[in-house]
Amino acid sequence: GENVEQHPSTLSVQEGDSAVIKCTYSDSASNYFPWYKQELGKGPQLIIDIRSNVGEKKDQRIAVTLNKTAKHFSLHITETQPEDSAVYFCAASMTGGGNKLTFGTGTQLKVEL
Amino acid sequence: NAGVMQNPRHLVRRRGQEARLRCSPMKGHSHVYWYRQLPEEGLKFMVYLQKENIIDESGMPKERFSAEFPKEGPSILRIQQVVRGDSAAYFCASSGSGQGITGELFFGEGSRLTVL
Repeated sequence: GENVEQHPSTLSVQEGDSAVIKCTYSDSASNYFPWYKQELGKGPQLIIDIRSNVGEKKDQRIAVTLNKTAKHFSLHITETQPEDSAVYFCAASMTGGGNKLTFGTGTQLKVEL
Repeated sequence: NAGVMQNPRHLVRRRGQEARLRCSPMKGHSHVYWYRQLPEEGLKFMVYLQKENIIDESGMPKERFSAEFPKEGPSILRIQQVVRGDSAAYFCASSGSGQGITGELFFGEGSRLTVL
């Protein structure tokens, strides 16, 4: 089955700096890669996703890149703010898999003032 | 708020008791997924259901765990004879699409089970 690895497990940045979180996946059939943000005590919230037919997607301060050949994808957050502090999860799924997501182990992002 | 609704938000059970967790999907969604999150870990898939059908239960423990999504009412995740290792956050997600289509999953706030 699919295996998703995520790095780093913790990330501390100064407010205004950029943050990058990286994930790799094992199954070349995976074609949908969402990123979720989870705040303490809450459920995961979808923040951005990318499908395998594109290499990059951007939404304001957040961008995701995908390298199908290397089977890795990354989340980029620019101009970080304290409210970006949370746990971020990457995930992967494939068409025909019934939207079953395989999650990475999460990255605790802390944005310091 | 027409999001995914889960209840109870917190549940405490003693070893050997039963836990029932309920999930109402987003309006218009007919696909429900249950995930388990152990402390400081990622989410692990448990089961995928459509109305009156279990589509994929490959992540469900073989014993004590069951799930249903009846024609009427919420989806229910049932854990019989709970043990301390069942203590976790259980998240429900729903989708408006399923087999053959990759679509967004929308998660509820979770039910946090504590087994004493």
